[in-house]
Amino acid sequence: QKEVEQNSGPLSVPEGAIASLNCTYSDRVSQSFFWYRQYSGKSPELIMSIYSNGDKEDGRFTAQLNKASQYVSLLIRDSQPSDSATYLCAVRGGSYIPTFGRGTSLIVHP
Amino acid sequence: KAGVTQTPRYLIKTRGQQVTLSCSPISGHRSVSWYQQTPGQGLQFLFEYFSETQRNKGNFPGRFSGRQFSNSRSEMNVSTLELGDSALYLCASSLGAGEAEAFFGQGTRLTVV
Repeated sequence: QKEVEQNSGPLSVPEGAIASLNCTYSDRVSQSFFWYRQYSGKSPELIMSIYSNGDKEDGRFTAQLNKASQYVSLLIRDSQPSDSATYLCAVRGGSYIPTFGRGTSLIVHP
Repeated sequence: KAGVTQTPRYLIKTRGQQVTLSCSPISGHRSVSWYQQTPGQGLQFLFEYFSETQRNKGNFPGRFSGRQFSNSRSEMNVSTLELGDSALYLCASSLGAGEAEAFFGQGTRLTVV
């Protein structure tokens, strides 16, 4: 059973701080890793994808991947109240069937 | 550019009935995937269609089926509805099969009573 684990939270950070979201996965042959943001009552929105070890930066977002440790994280710099949402980690392996984590709820308070 | 369109947005059905949900992908996208989202199980993959062929299937019973038409529009059907089928059903489109980046529609909220 391929699993993707996330801390459900809520993770509460003050406005302007760095929010760090973590995800671990069990399938060692996983190839593609994604972070989706889902606002309450809305559908998931892709914000980052990462395929190789290391960091990938896009604006205020940085995705970090460590395949040896089977760990992927998302850093949000200068967090804003509008970043308050549930963040879903998704992993796609060789079968191309994606597995999603249950999500981490992030609350950015002014 | 129009996004992924799902219809209907909300649906209430009775146990034992069947339901058909529709998804129109982004223009030019040929792959459509379906997901079920519930508070208890999270987001779970149902199946993926590409060029009218089912490419992948998740771990759901045979009551859940789908198809894709030549214009890439897709339908999902659930027969003999159970209370546990109440969920948000999401469709995602991408350019090709097994494509990494997918764009989700707003979903269909199905309630089975």
